[in-house]
Amino acid sequence: QVHLQESGPGLVKPSETLSLTCSVSGDSISRYYWSWIRQPPGKGLEWIAYIYYNGRPNYNPSLKSRVAISLDTSKNRFSLNLSSVTAADTAVYYCARLDVVPPSGYFQYWGQGTLITVSS
Amino acid sequence: SYELTQPPSVSVSPGQTASITCSGGELGIRYACWYQQKPGQSPVLVIYQDTKRPSGIPERFSGSKSGNTATLTISGTQAMDEGDYYCQAWDSTTVVVFGGGTKLTVL
Repeated sequence: QVHLQESGPGLVKPSETLSLTCSVSGDSISRYYWSWIRQPPGKGLEWIAYIYYNGRPNYNPSLKSRVAISLDTSKNRFSLNLSSVTAADTAVYYCARLDVVPPSGYFQYWGQGTLITVSS
Repeated sequence: SYELTQPPSVSVSPGQTASITCSGGELGIRYACWYQQKPGQSPVLVIYQDTKRPSGIPERFSGSKSGNTATLTISGTQAMDEGDYYCQAWDSTTVVVFGGGTKLTVL
């Protein structure tokens, strides 16, 4: 059974960089695509980015200038960096496995989510 | 930017059929999928590739598509089906898009 677990700082100051890690067990990240999704309190889901182990990442155009996603195959985990954060970046951040079936894909496995608050 | 439109809310009586729609340009040529999310929990995939149901999802959940509108149907709706439902697809440039979500209330 695939299990994903997010880890992060909980609280980030405005203008700083948010760094999150997703540890994957029960599967190798050298297969499938891996993604980050967020959900502001009381609002809907917003896709952030995805990456395949041997491909270039894809980013939400609205966040592309501030986001970087990367893989660490040696530790079977992947990460997200979001720079210049503001209060609008306060959200629950989920990591998920993206099963790609062209011309689409779906998220069957999700982490439990981690709440990130941007505040001074 | 590509958008998927869902009704903000749908109400249904227990045992009746609930239908939640998701509309978007070119959705007819792209796969849609659906997630259920209960308060404080991660989303759960209930339908993928328009009509397929993952293992463990009850048969009362079904998906369909007509033109550029995908529909999630819950037959014999139960109180446990209350929650938020999101559709999801890709746009033409492999960007993932979610609908705004629909709150299902079982009265």
